Amino acid sequence: ILNVEQSPQSLHVQEGDSTNFTCSFPSSNFYALHWYRWETAKSPEALFVMTLNGDEKKKGRISATLNTKEGYSYLYIKGSQPEDSATYLCASYRPGNTPLVFGKGTRLSVIA
Amino acid sequence: EAGVAQSPRYKIIEKRQSVAFWCNPISGHATLYWYQQILGQGPKLLIQFQNNGVVDDSQLPKDRFSAERLKGVDSTLKIQPAKLEDSAVYLCASSFQQGDTGELFFGEGSRLTVL
Repeated sequence: ILNVEQSPQSLHVQEGDSTNFTCSFPSSNFYALHWYRWETAKSPEALFVMTLNGDEKKKGRISATLNTKEGYSYLYIKGSQPEDSATYLCASYRPGNTPLVFGKGTRLSVIA
Repeated sequence: EAGVAQSPRYKIIEKRQSVAFWCNPISGHATLYWYQQILGQGPKLLIQFQNNGVVDDSQLPKDRFSAERLKGVDSTLKIQPAKLEDSAVYLCASSFQQGDTGELFFGEGSRLTVL
């Protein structure tokens, strides 16, 4: 069974601050790592799907890195805005009849 | 392209009552999932369908939860009788097939409160 851990559990930052949080996952038999953003009362939205060691992906002010050898991924938000307030979920995937396995998420609150 | 549709969005019931949630996946998506997300936890898979067949229901509490996807499109998740610990968001997701990277498309969820 995959065990995906995220930290911190919650985070409060001021508008304009940059922030980052961590996802750790089993490095053996790694296949893909997903990041989702889940705003209250909305559907979880895919941010990144990462597959290669050393991968770095970027979408606007949000970026993510991946280290498959040591089993971690970082999500960075530069210049946080109130609209970035959400729960950020990471999930590990192995092919076959297995679904995504999610971490508990990091709940980010950006204070104006 | 229409997304995954779920209803109802919110439901409040008393313990021992029953409730049903409905999901319509993205057109053409063969695989459908029901996840349960309890406050403070990550989404946990309850059941996975491939067309109208069950692929994985190992974490579905079968004494009270049931799900079906009779025609391989819409799905219904039922809880009967509900317990306090069933209070959660029930997320439906779909994917075209098993896929290369497992990306899922989620609905907005059905938030259940059991009093």
